[in-house]
Amino acid sequence: EADIYQTPRYLVIGTGKKITLECSQTMGHDKMYWYQQDPGMELHLIHYSYGVNSTEKGDLSSESTVSRIRTEHFPLTLESARPSHTSQYLCASSESPFWGANTGELFFGEGSRLTVL
Amino acid sequence: DAKTTQPPSMDCAEGRAANLPCNHSTISGNEYVYWYRQIHSQGPQYIIHGLKNNETNEMASLIITEDRKSSTLILPHATLRDTAVYYCIVRVEDDKIIFGKGTRLHILP
Repeated sequence: EADIYQTPRYLVIGTGKKITLECSQTMGHDKMYWYQQDPGMELHLIHYSYGVNSTEKGDLSSESTVSRIRTEHFPLTLESARPSHTSQYLCASSESPFWGANTGELFFGEGSRLTVL
Repeated sequence: DAKTTQPPSMDCAEGRAANLPCNHSTISGNEYVYWYRQIHSQGPQYIIHGLKNNETNEMASLIITEDRKSSTLILPHATLRDTAVYYCIVRVEDDKIIFGKGTRLHILP
């Protein structure tokens, strides 16, 4: 069973507010990822990290930022939320290396559904 | 961009085998093939992965062609709970992981 947690699960907020979506995992995984997904649409990678102090932008340009100060935490921040940020945000982690006993599979949190009014 | 091509949707009768194809004609020698599925808006769930050999686990079988340019995920006895979007991904260890559009599988009662 995956031990990766996202909070909040649901958030409704007004335009211009700063928000932070939390993601924590207790599996000791170095690699962590943030995906954005609109209903019925594909998953888009927006940020990823290979370990502490490592952050990279994904394929979909995003106004959000991330940090990786501790292995277990990978928070995502929007400094000034807009209605176009309304979406579901999914956090994931994976074990490394992925040979031998490791499958390299991604473990996902339950997602944070953000609505910006 | 995703490195794989999948049909956008497929139907399968309940109890029959569901065979989901994936084309990855540009796969390189050190890239693995992974399959995930996503039910509603939950996070995708890992199903199976392989490099060259066919693989089987409690959920599914993965058949990879000899030239590795395509693969097929087989759900041997599909149930209504297998209705989901299925994603085929190729990756090496330090790749960013791109999902693509996947195949929407409908299991018909």
